[in-house]
Parts: sequence; C-alpha cells; structure tokens
Amino acid sequence: KAGVTQTPRYLIKTRGQQVTLSCSPISGHRSVSWYQQTPGQGLQFLFEYFSETQRNKGNFPGRFSGRQFSNSRSEMNVSTLELGDSALYLCASSSRQGVLENTEAFFGQGTRLTVV
Amino acid sequence: AQSVSQHNHHVILSEAASLELGCNYSYGGTVNLFWYVQYPGQHLQLLLKYFSGDPLVKGIKGFEAEFIKSKFSFNLRKPSVQWSDTAEYFCAVNSGGYQKVTFGTGTKLQVIP
Repeated sequence: KAGVTQTPRYLIKTRGQQVTLSCSPISGHRSVSWYQQTPGQGLQFLFEYFSETQRNKGNFPGRFSGRQFSNSRSEMNVSTLELGDSALYLCASSSRQGVLENTEAFFGQGTRLTVV
Repeated sequence: AQSVSQHNHHVILSEAASLELGCNYSYGGTVNLFWYVQYPGQHLQLLLKYFSGDPLVKGIKGFEAEFIKSKFSFNLRKPSVQWSDTAEYFCAVNSGGYQKVTFGTGTKLQVIP
C-alpha cells in the first residue's frame, strides 16, 4: 500500500506570493490533517479535513487555508507569504471514519517551503 | 487546551545504554497517546500508541511506554539503544478521537557507537 504522498518536496517562494501544496492520502483514508514543523515552534496542527469538510482548525491566520476533494486528496494554500512561513509542511492521513474513532495518523515526507 | 511537555531536548547515549524519555501532558479527559520517531531525512513514523487497556505499551524496534494516568505521563523506554536509534522522538496526544494531535517539542537522541 502506498504511503502518504506530498508534492512538491521542495519549494522556494518570494514574500507576498501564494503557494499550494498537495497531499494524497493512503488509499481508503478519508481523514487528512496538515501540520507545520519549524525548529522554533515544533509541530503545530493546521487543520483536518474529512469527506471534503474541515472538521478541526488550529491557531493559524486566515492566510492558511485548505480543501479536500472527493477522492480524499487535499491541498493546502498559503497566501501572501511571509518569511516566517518557511517550514516543513506535513500531511497525515488516517482511516478514521467517525468523530470519536481512535486511530493513528500516517505522515508523508513533507513539503519544505522556503520563503525568501 | 491540551499540551505536551518533553523534558529532554537533547540526549546523548552510548550504545547499549538504557533510554528513558519523559513526556507529560495536560488534559483532564480521555486521551490517546503516541510516540513518533523521525529519523534523519525521513518522515514521521509511529513507534507506539496507547488508546486504552494495558498501560504498558510495546512498540516497534524494542521500544515501550508506560501510561501513568495519575502522573499524566507517558514515558518512552528502551533497555539497550543502538546507533540506528539516533533520531528525533516526539510525544503526542489527542483527545476523545479528535484528529487534532498536539505534539511535544521533540527530543533529539544521539547514540554514540
């Protein structure tokens, strides 16, 4: 079974630009979450999507948005990029169906975004 | 809001030494607990998880963790580390099935041959 796939692996963008990151979950997984990893803040939850609906959201500004498609693939968008947005963005998928179901998340290798 | 504290930021051990990494969380309700590992240049991988039942959990590669509810702790242990265990270890928690996982700041483990 293929793992979580994130594209692209590396991105360099200029301040003020916008960027879209893509995540393909493990086949059959409908829950997709996004995290930002930085040396200073560690791993921080951005949002979770399930069946094309955002179910949870972390404490990030509105410049960070996402969506999920009917095939469970997800995209994350960051508009008006700032230098501080430079980070590793991780996507995770899980087989979770119901809201109260306990499952673990499987992570992709991430997209390394550098804002210059 | 839930939070996770990892007390050791950087640990250096010789091969065959025993390992214990501390993890404490703050949340009063039902929690699910995880330890993830990130080897250099690789993605986060699940080492072990606790949802319910036996508080002593065994994971991959000889790792185990013990959930002590009264101490809000979930410490990771391994009796004898190997050079290949050099990695960053993250303790994580989510509550009541919600997929928002809160991670600790991570512990970098360096094992010297």
